[in-house]
Amino acid sequence: AQTVTQSQPEMSVQEAETVTLSCTYDTSESNYYLFWYKQPPSRQMILVIRQEAYKQQNATENRFSVNFQKAAKSFSLKISDSQLGDTAMYFCAFMGLGGGSQGNLIFGKGTKLSVKP
Amino acid sequence: NAGVTQTPKFQVLKTGQSMTLQCAQDMNHNSMYWYRQDPGMGLRLIYYSASEGTTDKGEVPNGYNVSRLNKREFSLRLESAAPSQTSVYFCASSLRDRAGQPQHFGDGTRLSIL
Repeated sequence: AQTVTQSQPEMSVQEAETVTLSCTYDTSESNYYLFWYKQPPSRQMILVIRQEAYKQQNATENRFSVNFQKAAKSFSLKISDSQLGDTAMYFCAFMGLGGGSQGNLIFGKGTKLSVKP
Repeated sequence: NAGVTQTPKFQVLKTGQSMTLQCAQDMNHNSMYWYRQDPGMGLRLIYYSASEGTTDKGEVPNGYNVSRLNKREFSLRLESAAPSQTSVYFCASSLRDRAGQPQHFGDGTRLSIL
């Protein structure tokens, strides 16, 4: 069974600085997708970024980028120029493409990020 | 564009009472999902409906039932609520037949069982 591990329960960063959130996963599949979702205090689940395992190029979305290391099964999220609005829980999630559960998301337990002024 | 709409947003129940959480999406997605979120546990899949007319168990289905009423609506029922079911419940939807399509979430229902 696939698992997703976020080893940092809480992190903090100063406004305008850069922070990296860690995520590792375990799977025997060769193709899959990885996601980062953001959950601010409003409780909404907001998609931040998506990465396909077959694509070697790391995904980027404005200030958000990932470091995808397929062999190491690592998928970290880098937030540049942190803003107060980035304060949120961040969830890493795995989506396999094989078997009956394809399309289901498996979530890590989350990292609570606080951006300090 | 409403996206995924959940009702109610908050609910308090007594142990043993029954309750149905409603979810509707207007994005013409074929797949819908119910999750629960507990502190320190992330989101865990309760049930999902890959397509209209089908439902399947997820990771934590015990104590719940679901109904895929039509393509738009997917409800979650607690027949006899227990304090262990106190949680935040999220509904989501996606285009499951397109590989890697993200799930879109509702705003959640905070359910407390006394």
